Amino acid sequence: ETGVTQSPTHLIKTRGQQVTLRCSSQSGHNTVSWYQQALGQGPQFIFQYYREEENGRGNFPPRFSGLQFPNYSSELNVNALELDDSALYLCASSLPGASGRAGELFFGEGSRLTVL
Amino acid sequence: AQRVTQPEKLLSVFKGAPVELKCNYSYSGSPELFWYVQYSRQRLQLLLRHISRESIKGFTADLNKGETSFHLKKPFAQEEDSAMYYCALFPGGYNKLIFGAGTRLAVHP
Repeated sequence: ETGVTQSPTHLIKTRGQQVTLRCSSQSGHNTVSWYQQALGQGPQFIFQYYREEENGRGNFPPRFSGLQFPNYSSELNVNALELDDSALYLCASSLPGASGRAGELFFGEGSRLTVL
Repeated sequence: AQRVTQPEKLLSVFKGAPVELKCNYSYSGSPELFWYVQYSRQRLQLLLRHISRESIKGFTADLNKGETSFHLKKPFAQEEDSAMYYCALFPGGYNKLIFGAGTRLAVHP
């Protein structure tokens, strides 16, 4: 069974640039969610994708966007980077909420983004 | 407002001592609560969920709706329990979890 993998593991960008982070879900999981974890904080929900559509979003501006592909892998895109976007971005895969396993997330190791 | 509060950033105990990691939540409905753990150089992973009422690695957690708490307990801490622990609330619907800020448990020999 393949776990959740994310790339890149680290990256540095400057303010105003754009970034794309990638995630491959655990085999058998068709739901992917993204979280932002600032230093010293718990993960904060950005959005979730199911069947290639966003079906839930947290309190993040539209410059945070995503995609899910037919193989359930996903991308997180952030435009017009700001200093406060510096954080660890976590991808998590899961079964759909209606599966009875709601809330059981399988996390990747994260992509650490530094915005200068 | 939906919120999870973990009042302690750091909990330091000696091996063999009891451990209680505190978690309080704010939620108007019937909550589902979880504990996630992150060991050093490992990814965040599920430790236990209240609905299953099981003990994992000697840890238990009881949901107290009157006190809106879901404290994580272990009677005798082991050094390998040293990790970052996050309490999380599932408010229903899609798979969004609301996490607390986490408590670092340090178990000393």
